[in-house]
Amino acid sequence: NAGVTQTPKFQVLKTGQSMTLQCAQDMNHEYMSWYRQDPGMGLRLIHYSVGAGITDQGEVPNGYNVSRSTTEDFPLRLLSAAPSQTSVYFCASRKTRYTGELFFGEGSRLTVL
Amino acid sequence: KQEVTQIPAALSVPEGENLVLNCSFTDSAIYNLQWFRQDPGKGLTSLLLIQSSQREQTSGRLNASLDKSSGRSTLYIAASQPGDSATYLCAVYTGANSKLTFGKGITLSVRP
Repeated sequence: NAGVTQTPKFQVLKTGQSMTLQCAQDMNHEYMSWYRQDPGMGLRLIHYSVGAGITDQGEVPNGYNVSRSTTEDFPLRLLSAAPSQTSVYFCASRKTRYTGELFFGEGSRLTVL
Repeated sequence: KQEVTQIPAALSVPEGENLVLNCSFTDSAIYNLQWFRQDPGKGLTSLLLIQSSQREQTSGRLNASLDKSSGRSTLYIAASQPGDSATYLCAVYTGANSKLTFGKGITLSVRP
């Protein structure tokens, strides 16, 4: 049982480049979310989804895009990378929006030069 | 707006001590509270989930309690070991705005 899988683990981008962070879960969870973790700021919610075809913004959505075409996958797109997006990104899922433990992936460390 | 506080930010104890990590929150209208462990460079690992109707949960040497009325949760670690060294975060799921709010964590170091 793989749980929540994120790729890539590390990525270096130049300012203005775009990329997609991949997230997949094999637990049939309805709820999936993306967080960023920065020193001194803690974990901040970027976007979340309560099921296939349904997404919504979190606290810090600007500069990021998401879609949820299947239950399993929830990719995060950086449209035009900026140095302020240098961070560690975590994907997390739970059974539903209101129930179950939240399970995290191992994280993707992104550096924007 | 829910605020979650974990004090102190760091803690160092000798091996074998029983210890208590605190988590306080300002809005008592919560669905549940979850404790996590994070090792350096890794993701968050779920330790315990307490529903709002529960008072405590136990897993091995860990025991988490919840007192909604006072806005507090504690994570009790019995007979601490060097392998317990990590950052411990609590997260509160507040029903009013369906939001999960994280504390900033307590970095625990257990000295051999």
